[in-house]
Amino acid sequence: GIQVEQSPPDLILQEGANSTLRCNFSDSVNNLQWFHQNPWGQLINLFYIPSGTKQNGRLSATTVATERYSLLYISSSQTTDSGVYFCVANAGGTSYGKLTFGQGTILTVHP
Amino acid sequence: DTAVSQTPKYLVTQMGNDKSIKCEQNLGHDTMYWYKQDSKKFLKIMFSYNNKELIINETVPNRFSPKSPDKAHLNLHINSLELGDSAVYFCASTKTGVYEQYFGPGTRLTVT
Repeated sequence: GIQVEQSPPDLILQEGANSTLRCNFSDSVNNLQWFHQNPWGQLINLFYIPSGTKQNGRLSATTVATERYSLLYISSSQTTDSGVYFCVANAGGTSYGKLTFGQGTILTVHP
Repeated sequence: DTAVSQTPKYLVTQMGNDKSIKCEQNLGHDTMYWYKQDSKKFLKIMFSYNNKELIINETVPNRFSPKSPDKAHLNLHINSLELGDSAVYFCASTKTGVYEQYFGPGTRLTVT
């Protein structure tokens, strides 16, 4: 199956700093999503981005499908950005294929 | 107007008991999933149903039995609970032809 690797595993920032999270995947994908799991355990869907670039407020994501990686940018970080960020991919031929999760990046933003 | 809901949110039970977790989605999706998140935060798929038919069944003990009474519901029944079953269980859904998956809030199961 597809392998999904995220880096860095941990990231500590001061409020206001910018950061980039990376996701490498081992096969071509038909689904690439970024999730934020907040300290209460909720999985929040940030982006569905199998290719191209999207922006939502202070967050943006870029997936270069041909080179098999995706980047999540967080600008002007806030303490509420703390949590675990997961990159998730599906390489199956059907839309109901299983998602494979990366191991996550633990982000801590200090005030 | 919750998209994917799960009940209960928390479940504390003793070893050997049988328990169920329910999932409902009001998005009109036809494919639903169960994922398990272990104590190290690693998430892995357990089951998937498409139009009430089982299509993905990862290596999960047969004490776990999913049931889909209709396209909007996917329940997870667990027999003879063990300590190792303690985890957070997430339900998700999608629509055939659309790849994005939507996740429920999770059910934290603690087996004592």
